This record gives sequence, C-alpha cells and structure tokens, in this order.
Amino acid sequence: SALTQPASVSGSPGQSITISCTGTSSDVGGYNSVSWYQQHPGKAPKLIIYDVSNRPSGVSNRFSGSKSGNTASLTISGLQAEDEADYYCTSYTSSDTVVFGGGTKLTVL
Amino acid sequence: QVQLQESGPGLVKPSETLSLTCTVSGYSISSGFYWGWIRQPPGKGLEWIGNIFHSGRTYHNPSLKSRLTISIDTSKNQFSLKLSSVTAADTAVYFCARDRIAAGEFDPWGQGTLVTVSS
Repeated sequence: SALTQPASVSGSPGQSITISCTGTSSDVGGYNSVSWYQQHPGKAPKLIIYDVSNRPSGVSNRFSGSKSGNTASLTISGLQAEDEADYYCTSYTSSDTVVFGGGTKLTVL
Repeated sequence: QVQLQESGPGLVKPSETLSLTCTVSGYSISSGFYWGWIRQPPGKGLEWIGNIFHSGRTYHNPSLKSRLTISIDTSKNQFSLKLSSVTAADTAVYFCARDRIAAGEFDPWGQGTLVTVSS
C-alpha cells in the first residue's frame, strides 16, 4: 500500500519545513532506496533526492533527506515562493516493486 | 541530454486496451537502465505502473499485473505500455521515465500524456 505522507504542510519564506514519509520494514525501513519528487501544477515530477539523502546535480542544497526506521523525511530550508508544489516520496519494496507516497501539498505563506 | 516523449490515443473506450509508447532520445536504451511508467489520475497522486529493463525483464504493480503488458523495442529506442479492459478509473496522465536501478529513482521524465477512458 501507499507510503503515508501528510496531506499538506505550510511555512513562511525563510523558514524550514519537514515532510515525512512513513512505510514499513518491507519498504522504507528495509532499503536505502527512497527518493523524493517535486511537482508543480501541470508539470512532470522532478527528482530532488535519491538514495535517502543524495541530491542530483543542479538541485538546490536547501533540499535534504534523511531516514529513521520506517520513516523518511524531506527538509526544505530557507523556504522560497518557488518551493510551493506537491512533493512525493517513493521507496523500493521487498516485493521487487516501487511504491509512492500519497503526496504532500506545500504552501508557502 | 536524455529526453522521453509519450505518444498514443488520448481517448479509449471502456473495456478496450490502452496503448502508449515512450520514445527515448539522447540515450540508447539498450545500453542499460530501467524504463518505467507512472500515472496520475486528475487531481490525485502518482501511481507506479511498472518498469522494464533493456533485456526485457519486467516489474509490475501487483494491482495492475493481470491487465498489464510492458515491452521494449531497442531497435526503435522505444518502450511501450498496454493496459487491457480499461475503465474510467484508468483515466490519468501517463508518464514515462528512466529509473536508474528499478527502485523508484525516476529521472528524467516525459511530459506526460492524458488518457481519458470514456464511451
């Protein structure tokens, strides 16, 4: 089943926010194959974190990832208006499949 | 620069088969990596459909497996999706993407194509 993310989070410009992604020992907790995506309306998702905490080339270092047990987290520091978007996590699973989180809508106040 | 582009009918009748193709440019799919399909119903979240390796080995979402066929044509640098017996619940934007290790690390993505299931 889908990984659990909060439906929405919000923050003011300059602040930091964290989005959680909770799974089980069969997915998030069992592997370091957690990725995060940013999706603006009408656009394709963009990979911003892979392997729990790695950033692809060109992604701002304001984005960081971590994991503790069955929960992965995405932190965005120095929040900017352009960060307002939907965010999704994914994980590899013990069934040799991929599972997405339900998505989190980030609002920059 | 690797680019992916989805193509196929935008309207499919209920009970028929949805067929989409993803054309890859800037990279030879026979060189490696996994190639995936993801969909997003209007106003909803992302759902993994399945991946295929350049060898032809496939990985499927269990909830779609009985209706799903993913194939690859290295001569055309394309991979394809067929989903049979579609219903309105299969209406979605369908994306194709490259997956580095078949673990949900999708980059880059195609722009997506909306497929509507309706009579």
